[in-house]
Parts: sequence; C-alpha cells; structure tokens
Amino acid sequence: NAGVTQTPKFQVLKTGQSMTLQCAQDMNHEYMSWYRQDPGMGLRLIHYSVGAGITDQGEVPNGYNVSRSTTEDFPLRLLSAAPSQTSVYFCASRSTGGSEKLFFGSGTQLSVL
Amino acid sequence: DAKTTQPPSMDCAEGRAANLPCNHSTISGNEYVYWYRQIHSQGPQYIIHGLKNNETNEMASLIITEDRKSSTLILPHATLRDTAVYYCIVRVYSGAGSYQLTFGKGTKLSVIP
Repeated sequence: NAGVTQTPKFQVLKTGQSMTLQCAQDMNHEYMSWYRQDPGMGLRLIHYSVGAGITDQGEVPNGYNVSRSTTEDFPLRLLSAAPSQTSVYFCASRSTGGSEKLFFGSGTQLSVL
Repeated sequence: DAKTTQPPSMDCAEGRAANLPCNHSTISGNEYVYWYRQIHSQGPQYIIHGLKNNETNEMASLIITEDRKSSTLILPHATLRDTAVYYCIVRVYSGAGSYQLTFGKGTKLSVIP
C-alpha cells in the first residue's frame, strides 16, 4: 500500500516550458487535491477533485490545469511555467465519508528559471 | 471563514508535555478543528480533529474550550522527532457538500534535548 505517490521529486524548468506533475493514490479515495507551499508559508490550495470527471478551483488556480479521468490519478499541468510558480507542490487525497483526514504525498520541488 | 491564530514558534524540553494553543474565535457551531504537522519538508501528517468534546488518540490530545473559541493540542511526552510545524485548521465548507482545509503558517515547535 503506497498511499499517495508524487513524481518527479525535483524538477527544474525554464520560463515558458510546460510540464505535468503526477499524483497517484491507491486508497480508492474520491477526493484529491493539489497544494503549493512557498518558503515560510502555509499550504495554499490550487485545485481539487471530488471524483473522476469532476474538478474545481481552489485559492490559487491561475496558471495550472487539472483533469481527473480516473479515481487513482490527478495530474497537475503547468502550460507555460513562470518563476512565480517556483514552489513545493503537494498532492493529497482522502475519502469522502465526512472525515478530512488528508493523506499527503512527499512533494515535488519545482524551480522555474 | 473561521480563521485561526497560532504563535509562530515554541520550545519544549524533551520528555515534557508540549501544549500548542490555537485561537479560533469566529468558529461556527458545526465547524471542526483539525491539527496537522509537517516535519521538515515532508508532506503534512494528520494528528487529530474534534468538534466539541476533548479527543485523544495515540499521537496527541485535543482540548477544546467550552465556548469553542480556542483549543490546545497536547503532545504528552515530546521527543526530538516531534520537532515540526503544527497547523491548527478549521474546516471550511466550500459548497456542493465539499469541505476544504486551509493551512495557515502554523507553530514551529522545537523540542530541545
């Protein structure tokens, strides 16, 4: 039981490049979400999904796209990376039975030059 | 939205109880209080949550005041491995039956040998 798996762990991009951060969970959780964390800050919600085919925006969605074609996977896409997107990205999942016990991945550290 | 206020940092001697306070004076009657912690740059880890009554699990105890305007997370016997940032969070209803967790800056707990 791997929990929430994020890849890659580290990534360096040039401004304007695109990439996809991968997130997969094997707990059959309906809810999945993406957060970003900047130095000295708490986590800010980017996008979330309450089930396959359903996504919604969080606090800081601009510059990011998501899709949810399966229960297991919730990729985060940066279409045109900007230096302001340099951050650590965390994916999380939970069941939708009422508890907010989120399970987090180990994070992806992204630098945009 | 109910906001939380936490001290930015605290120290605790190893083996002693760590008491982490949190103010949430605008909390609504049906909003839960959650605690997570983040060790170094790992993904946050769920600790405990509660509504009105005090709660205890294998990690910690949560004491919520009768008026629910504040709470205290208690780590009964702090160890060096408990050094982390602790987040007090009030669950926020985001519509369509979905709830989100908003992470503030938390309290940096340092356990001193």
